[in-house]
Formats: sequence, C-alpha cells, structure tokens
Amino acid sequence: DAKTTQPPSMDCAEGRAANLPCNHSTISGNEYVYWYRQIHSQGPQYIIHGLKNNETNEMASLIITEDRKSSTLILPHATLRDTAVYYCIVRVVGSGNTGKLIFGQGTTLQVKP
Amino acid sequence: NAGVTQTPKFRVLKTGQSMTLLCAQDMNHEYMYWYRQDPGMGLRLIHYSVGEGTTAKGEVPDGYNVSRLKKQNFLLGLESAAPSQTSVYFCASSSGIHNEQFFGPGTRLTVL
Repeated sequence: DAKTTQPPSMDCAEGRAANLPCNHSTISGNEYVYWYRQIHSQGPQYIIHGLKNNETNEMASLIITEDRKSSTLILPHATLRDTAVYYCIVRVVGSGNTGKLIFGQGTTLQVKP
Repeated sequence: NAGVTQTPKFRVLKTGQSMTLLCAQDMNHEYMYWYRQDPGMGLRLIHYSVGEGTTAKGEVPDGYNVSRLKKQNFLLGLESAAPSQTSVYFCASSSGIHNEQFFGPGTRLTVL
C-alpha cells in the first residue's frame, strides 16, 4: 500500500471550510484513497473514499488530482465537533486483499470558535 | 443496532497475567480486525479475520492470539502480558474488503 504524507496539524475557524491535504505520490492504479477521523479517545470513523473521481457525501467532499498523487478532504462548514485527527489512507481494493487499513500519523484539525 | 461493542472498557494487569478482550458486532459482517493504538500514534493492525473460523496476522501480532469461533465475535488474547502491551485496543468490522470499517469504542489496557 502506498504511503501518505499529511501535515501534522491545522487550524480552522468555525463555520469556515476545512481543507485537509494528503500527498500520495506513489499511489498505484488499483489503490483507493480513504479518509477516517478519530475524535479524542473514540474509535475511528469512516468519512469518505474515492478512486479518481471527486466524491461527496453528507459529511465531506474528496478532491483527487488528475494524476492521483494528492487529494484534499473538504469539510464545508467546520464545527467544533469536527475537531479530530484525520487520517488519509491509501489501500488496494480487489481480490486477495484483506481490507486492512494502515494508519499514519494523521492531521490534527483544531476548529476554533 | 449496537454496532461494534468491546468488553471490557478498561483493565489493569500485572506483568505475566493473561486476559481476553471480546469484540462483538451485530451487523453480520464477515471481516473483523484488531488494532492497537499507542500514545500519539496511528492504529496498527494486530490480527484480522476474513470470516468465521479464519484468522491471520497483521503488522504487530507477537504476544497476541485470536479466535473467531462465531461470526459475530472476535477474541483477542494476551497469554502473558508485558508492559509493552499497554495500549488502547480497537476492534473493527466490515461487510466487504473495500467497505468502510466500523470501529468499537476501544479497551484501555495498562500492564504494570
């Protein structure tokens, strides 16, 4: 599975969009980009995932560059409850894959009032 | 639906003691996982299971054993606890290899 690079921390004002970058320059064609977050002391929570097209759900949007070497998770209107560690994970999806997630250090997002 | 539950929530052990952590899910998921998280670090995979009766090693399996006798339960055992196993343990399950993983609330284990 490709490695990812994320900034260790970011701040965002409440109500503004939070844009969390992730670099995955060694991603291969059959690897998806997943985002999870972990609010303090809780288990991780799935946010969104994508292969090459941009994706949106009720929680966030995922923008993947055309060359797939980087992506951005967008929380459109950040709230204090979005303060968490955000993990960008790249993994292979397909037969023979176990589905295991490899977590890096993530980005600690602090949403400020 | 309770989702993924873990028992116990907290435990303190002495070095050399044994214990079993229980993970249960009521979503009929095939895949289950055990992770550990040390302070300031991301989660690391200990063992996983792709179906009832099957188990496999993850990144950090040494010192742990697992069993999946029933589809809904995944047990993590520590035969002889060591201080290096002090950590927060998370269980997760998913319905398919590319599907989202649902995590439990975690078990905080301290080994003295």
